[in-house]
Amino acid sequence: AQSVAQPEDQVNVAEGNPLTVKCTYSVSGNPYLFWYVQYPNRGLQFLLKYITGDNLVKGSYGFEAEFNKSQTSFHLKKPSALVSDSALYFCAVRDPLGGYSTLTFGKGTMLLVSP
Amino acid sequence: NAGVTQTPKFRVLKTGQSMTLLCAQDMNHEYMYWYRQDPGMGLRLIHYSVGEGTTAKGEVPDGYNVSRLKKQNFLLGLESAAPSQTSVYFCASRPLAGHDTQYFGPGTRLTVL
Repeated sequence: AQSVAQPEDQVNVAEGNPLTVKCTYSVSGNPYLFWYVQYPNRGLQFLLKYITGDNLVKGSYGFEAEFNKSQTSFHLKKPSALVSDSALYFCAVRDPLGGYSTLTFGKGTMLLVSP
Repeated sequence: NAGVTQTPKFRVLKTGQSMTLLCAQDMNHEYMYWYRQDPGMGLRLIHYSVGEGTTAKGEVPDGYNVSRLKKQNFLLGLESAAPSQTSVYFCASRPLAGHDTQYFGPGTRLTVL
């Protein structure tokens, strides 16, 4: 089975401060990992993904994520938060060797950036 | 290039009524998906399709049917709507290659009274 957990329902950060949104996963093999963002009343937008290679992945809007195999984590980070980063963030996973052709999404973390 | 589009954007149904949600993509993608999004539940997969003429069940398929008669369209049907099906429905698609990056539509907000 493949699963993903986002332990925080909400993350609050002040504008200009660094932000981290946490994600942990469970798969039987090497995972494909994704982050998506959802702005109010919109569909999900792809931010970044890890497939293989460098553990630090850079994505859209200045976001990056670090793959940590020993901790089975894929936390989303940004050095300096903007108010416009306020949105709902989803982590997703797929085990390419697990016979699945679908992604499993976490429950989402609401990021609120205050001015 | 419109990407993934969904029709309608909003709909209100009475219990027992039926309706069909339409998803269309113009990117020639092989895979298409239907999800529902509920507060605190994240996205849950209803049904998906790995190609024209094929469909498969996801995590929460009960009460829904799907069809993929054309590669670019994926229809989600509710034969007898229930209040528990009040949700926001998202369609997504992805190409055969590309490591599973899915592209999402804008969503349909459905209320069943």
